[in-house]
Amino acid sequence: AQSVTQPDIHITVSEGASLELRCNYSYGATPYLFWYVQSPGQGLQLLLKYFSGDTLVQGIKGFEAEFKRSQSSFNLRKPSVHWSDAAEYFCAVASRTSGTYKYIFGTGTRLKVLA
Amino acid sequence: EAGVTQFPSHSVIEKGQTVTLRCDPISGHDNLYWYRRVMGKEIKFLLHFVKESKQDESGMPNNRFLAERTGGTYSTLKVQPAELEDSGVYFCASSSGRGDGYTFGSGTRLTVV
Repeated sequence: AQSVTQPDIHITVSEGASLELRCNYSYGATPYLFWYVQSPGQGLQLLLKYFSGDTLVQGIKGFEAEFKRSQSSFNLRKPSVHWSDAAEYFCAVASRTSGTYKYIFGTGTRLKVLA
Repeated sequence: EAGVTQFPSHSVIEKGQTVTLRCDPISGHDNLYWYRRVMGKEIKFLLHFVKESKQDESGMPNNRFLAERTGGTYSTLKVQPAELEDSGVYFCASSSGRGDGYTFGSGTRLTVV
């Protein structure tokens, strides 16, 4: 069955430190992968996506993610975290069935940033 | 361009009552999706409309949930009667279908007491 695992429920980092959020997926075919962020009171905002091609994907707000097929991973990284990055982050894989692209989400990782 | 709009943003109702959530997609987006996140769990697919037709409603939890999209514009999701386990955040999303991904709304937080 298709699934997405985000092993870290909570992560705390200091402002200016680097960040890596882990995401592992289980999917039979070539996956379409996404990272979304939800800030307090906001909707889900797309940070970046991977469909094909270069396995290192650049997104908004200085985020990047690397697709590693051999490890079934799509980890999100940022070299220097800002206080405004405190939010909940969701990894998702798009599963195509019967003409529908359904997203399968992980349980999310809540990021806390220390000043 | 206006985004996906959902209202109300919050709703608190008693068990057994009826609640209707509304989603206005981005103008011109034929595809409209409903998702739900129950506390502490992952965000799960409920259903997908293409224009006014239900393309896939395999994620609808039971027949207390009714989704409509009359005229292929806005959509409503009615829960009748609401149960405690229906509490959560209901997200709506829309897409053009051209492979550019979804745009999500800010969600409706439903609390059933």
